[in-house]
Amino acid sequence: KQEVTQIPAALSVPEGENLVLNCSFTDSAIYNLQWFRQDPGKGLTSLLLIQSSQREQTSGRLNASLDKSSGRSTLYIAASQPGDSATYLCAPKDYKLSFGAGTTVTVRA
Amino acid sequence: EPEVTQTPSHQVTQMGQEVILRCVPISNHLYFYWYRQILGQKVEFLVSFYNNEISEKSEIFDDQFSVERPDGSNFTLKIRSTKLEDSAMYFCASSEPPTDTQYFGPGTRLTVL
Repeated sequence: KQEVTQIPAALSVPEGENLVLNCSFTDSAIYNLQWFRQDPGKGLTSLLLIQSSQREQTSGRLNASLDKSSGRSTLYIAASQPGDSATYLCAPKDYKLSFGAGTTVTVRA
Repeated sequence: EPEVTQTPSHQVTQMGQEVILRCVPISNHLYFYWYRQILGQKVEFLVSFYNNEISEKSEIFDDQFSVERPDGSNFTLKIRSTKLEDSAMYFCASSEPPTDTQYFGPGTRLTVL
């Protein structure tokens, strides 16, 4: 059974600082890994998908890395803004997405 | 931009009643999913559906759950006899190769009294 851990559970930073969100998973037999954003009481917004054959994927200020063999992914958010405040979820996929509990980010203006 | 839609946004029901949650996936997608999130807990996979049949299901998806694609646009989740512990946010998602990115709807909050 895939177990997904996200560290830290919560993070508070001043605006402009770079964010580093960590995800680890126990089963490296995955096809891909998605990062999502969830605002309170809302649905999940897909941020990035990184295929198992890739090491990195970038979208604007977001960059995700994947080390499949060690079961780790990291999401970097450059130059954080208050609008980045949300919970970020990591989800590796074998036949299904398995979710971590998330990292709740607060960016202070 | 195409998006997954879900109705209703909030459903309140009495224990033992049947509920149907509705989803309209993105139009050219062929893979459909249901997930749920109990308040304060992780998002959990329930079922995946492709080519008019269930492709995978979790241990949560027991005989009281069923899914259906009744027409070319809707995808439904039926809970036959709701229990208090079915109270959760239910998310529908869809995807399409080759990217396999899953796009989620806004969710239906189910409250069982």
